[in-house]
Amino acid sequence: DAGITQSPRYKITETGRQVTLMCHQTWSHSYMFWYRQDLGHGLRLIYYSAAADITDKGEVPDGYVVSRSKTENFPLTLESATRSQTSVYFCASSGTPSSTDTQYFGPGTRLTVL
Amino acid sequence: QKEVEQDPGPLSVPEGAIVSLNCTYSNSAFQYFMWYRQYSRKGPELLMYTYSSGNKEDGRFTAQVDKSSKYISLFIRDSQPSDSATYLCAMSANSGGGADGLTFGKGTHLIIQP
Repeated sequence: DAGITQSPRYKITETGRQVTLMCHQTWSHSYMFWYRQDLGHGLRLIYYSAAADITDKGEVPDGYVVSRSKTENFPLTLESATRSQTSVYFCASSGTPSSTDTQYFGPGTRLTVL
Repeated sequence: QKEVEQDPGPLSVPEGAIVSLNCTYSNSAFQYFMWYRQYSRKGPELLMYTYSSGNKEDGRFTAQVDKSSKYISLFIRDSQPSDSATYLCAMSANSGGGADGLTFGKGTHLIIQP
């Protein structure tokens, strides 16, 4: 039971390059989320998705693009990476928006933009 | 003012002590309250979940919510070195699954000294 996985786990890139972070979950959860975690800011929501082909902006969406063609995958793309996007990125999923459910997090991708 | 305030610490206590971790919030619409534990270089994992006001106990952990004061707490009894981690409070107005994302505190770094 793999749960929720992210790849790559570590990535170093240069300013201006396009980078795609992958997220895959095996639970068939409807909802998926991307957060970034920075010292002094905690976890902040970038984008979320309620189902395949349905996405919406979170608190800090600028500079990021998402897609969700399949329920189990939710890739996050930095179209032109900037140093301010150096961060740890976490993907999460939840089955339903019910009162008894919660979000389950992946192991994270540590991205450095030089 | 951020929606959720949490002292980042670090908080250092001796093994066996009772630990108290707290968050305050400003959005009165929040109804679902969670505590996540995050070990170094890992993803957050759910520790406690509470709906509305009241207490919830699970082993050595007790979560309290006081909606009138917009204040939530996590107590850890008989603290162990393995409890050393960052503790994140999270909240949602809509559901435990946070259909439009969870709002997190910055996290408190807890160190239990053997």
